[in-house]
Amino acid sequence: AQTVTQSQPEMSVQEAETVTLSCTYDTSESNYYLFWYKQPPSRQMILVIRQEAYKQQNATENRFSVNFQKAAKSFSLKISDSQLGDTAMYFCALTGANSKLTFGKGITLSVRP
Amino acid sequence: GAGVSQSPSNKVTEKGKDVELRCDPISGHTALYWYRQSLGQGLEFLIYFQGNSAPDKSGLPSDRFSAERTGGSVSTLTIQRTQQEDSAVYLCASSWGTGEVYGYTFGSGTRLTVV
Repeated sequence: AQTVTQSQPEMSVQEAETVTLSCTYDTSESNYYLFWYKQPPSRQMILVIRQEAYKQQNATENRFSVNFQKAAKSFSLKISDSQLGDTAMYFCALTGANSKLTFGKGITLSVRP
Repeated sequence: GAGVSQSPSNKVTEKGKDVELRCDPISGHTALYWYRQSLGQGLEFLIYFQGNSAPDKSGLPSDRFSAERTGGSVSTLTIQRTQQEDSAVYLCASSWGTGEVYGYTFGSGTRLTVV
């Protein structure tokens, strides 16, 4: 069975500062994929960033980057230069060969002006 | 269409009634997924379609839940004899091929309230 743990229920950050959201996971598969999704009040899940487990290089998408520690089964998301539009729930997720996403409980991020 | 479309956006139903939730995936996407998001349980996988067949129905919580997909396109999730614990947001996602490789696109969900 796969599990994803997000232990922080909420965080707050000042606009323009940097924040890191934590995620740990467990899986018995050797090939898997990790994701961070953003869910604004509109409810639609929006992909923030994706990491393939076999790639050692950390994924980066503009202001978003991950710190992927495979041995420690850790996959944290760093948001640089936080913007008010980053306020949302963020979910860490994992999938393997079965294409089924396993999500963490999510974290509510608030960006203060 | 341009995105994954779900209808209705919100549904209030009386306990014991049947409901149908609809998902229109992106045209050409072969895979379709249903998830349920509730306060107590977080996001749970319900069922996965590849074309019209469902190789993984392991997440359906009871035999009151069923889903079908026709023409490799539209999918309907049916909940019979609704209970209050069925209240949740039901999210649909689609992908070309398998989502982990090609990416999942989510709809905005249907918020179901059972009173």
